[in-house]
Amino acid sequence: DTGVSQNPRHKITKRGQNVTFRCDPISEHNRLYWYRQTLGQGPEFLTYFQNEAQLEKSRLLSDRFSAERPKGSFSTLEIQRTEQGDSAMYLCASAPSSTEAFFGQGTRLTVV
Amino acid sequence: SQQGEEDPQALSIQEGENATMNCSYKTSINNLQWYRQNSGRGLVHLILIRSNEREKHSGRLRVTLDTSKKSSSLLITASRAADTASYFCATAVSGSARQLTFGSGTQLTVLP
Repeated sequence: DTGVSQNPRHKITKRGQNVTFRCDPISEHNRLYWYRQTLGQGPEFLTYFQNEAQLEKSRLLSDRFSAERPKGSFSTLEIQRTEQGDSAMYLCASAPSSTEAFFGQGTRLTVV
Repeated sequence: SQQGEEDPQALSIQEGENATMNCSYKTSINNLQWYRQNSGRGLVHLILIRSNEREKHSGRLRVTLDTSKKSSSLLITASRAADTASYFCATAVSGSARQLTFGSGTQLTVLP
């Protein structure tokens, strides 16, 4: 197993465009998390899936953000009508239970 | 919002010295975890301590937890230049062990 994989690693987009990120968790991990991290800050929780069910969403997740995890395997995070304030590192993590989380390398989004 | 707050925000030491980082949090927790992040990369889990534990060791790492003071410390002994990274504490809140809430991190620099 190669760990949590995130694609793309970097994304530059123009303001107003839509972007989609993908996360492939460690197989057999039923928990999947999305976090957002800006420079000099710790990761901020966005949303949590247990299998295919999205069980928690942060208030940070505006209606421009949507996440899915069809079939309880990979997950996608879409941002519609991107804004400059969306520029950040988007981190995905998976976990087998309520213990340690395994993080991917992240997708760095730059909105210009 | 950030649950944990690390102290200091930045720490610079010489190779071979010990590094101590502190974390304070606000609510009752299920467990507390420490993660490491190299610049521009994902987070790597270091150690987890449960709310009913007071101290835990892993290699050169020693973690303490004081639930009465809602604080934890991470000690790295005999530091190496390769230990240079940001260190974050993360709490799994009681009753909501689904998400981890991260602090803002301590940037550790170990000088060779």
